[in-house]
Amino acid sequence: QLVLTQSPSASASLGASVKLTCTLSSGHSSYAIAWHQQQPEKGPRYLMKVNSDGSHSKGDGIPDRFSGSSSGAERYLSISSLQSEDEADYYCQTWGPGIRVFGTGTKVTVL
Amino acid sequence: QVQLVQSGAEVKKPGASVKVSCKASGYTFTSYGISWVRQAPGQGLEWMGWISAYNGNTNYGQKVQGRVTMTRDTSTSTVYMELRSLRSDDTAVYYCARDFYCSGGSCLNTFDIWGQGTMVTVSS
Repeated sequence: QLVLTQSPSASASLGASVKLTCTLSSGHSSYAIAWHQQQPEKGPRYLMKVNSDGSHSKGDGIPDRFSGSSSGAERYLSISSLQSEDEADYYCQTWGPGIRVFGTGTKVTVL
Repeated sequence: QVQLVQSGAEVKKPGASVKVSCKASGYTFTSYGISWVRQAPGQGLEWMGWISAYNGNTNYGQKVQGRVTMTRDTSTSTVYMELRSLRSDDTAVYYCARDFYCSGGSCLNTFDIWGQGTMVTVSS
């Protein structure tokens, strides 16, 4: 069964960095994923797609502070120079045979 | 610019149906598929299904299978999601998102454009 696992929360100080992890379930380590950001009281926004080889393609207007990487079944979203507007929920999402799956989201708090 | 614009908020009674629209602009409508995703209050994102704007093929998630129908109108570049037999736990914000691009028999996953969302409230 295709499942994405995310930690419920992460925090870091203003100006610091944070790295979020999304883990693909067993047997699905070759899958690409997408990261989406949802700021409070707003709809989701596409950040980037991360492939199994670590290559990633960002959406229009996404700052260079956001980057993606990959290792085995894990897909990462790194945010550097954290700003107050980065405080949001971050969801990973993938494409299975005919289906789409979302992780449960990670809430990022900027201290 | 590329955008998806959804219809306005709805309030429905239990047992009724709701039909939400998602109008695409700024790109070739029939080259992409659209997914529908919903978010109950305070909860995460739940995928409901997708539709190919090219040929109308659909695939629905297990939780809404049998109650949902997705259609498209190529003349207006609009996708529709109808949910029937509404229950209180269908209360959510419903989003459309541009899901995949197909050309020459191959497809590329995208999920790169989201609509602004439509609040659907089910209450007696």
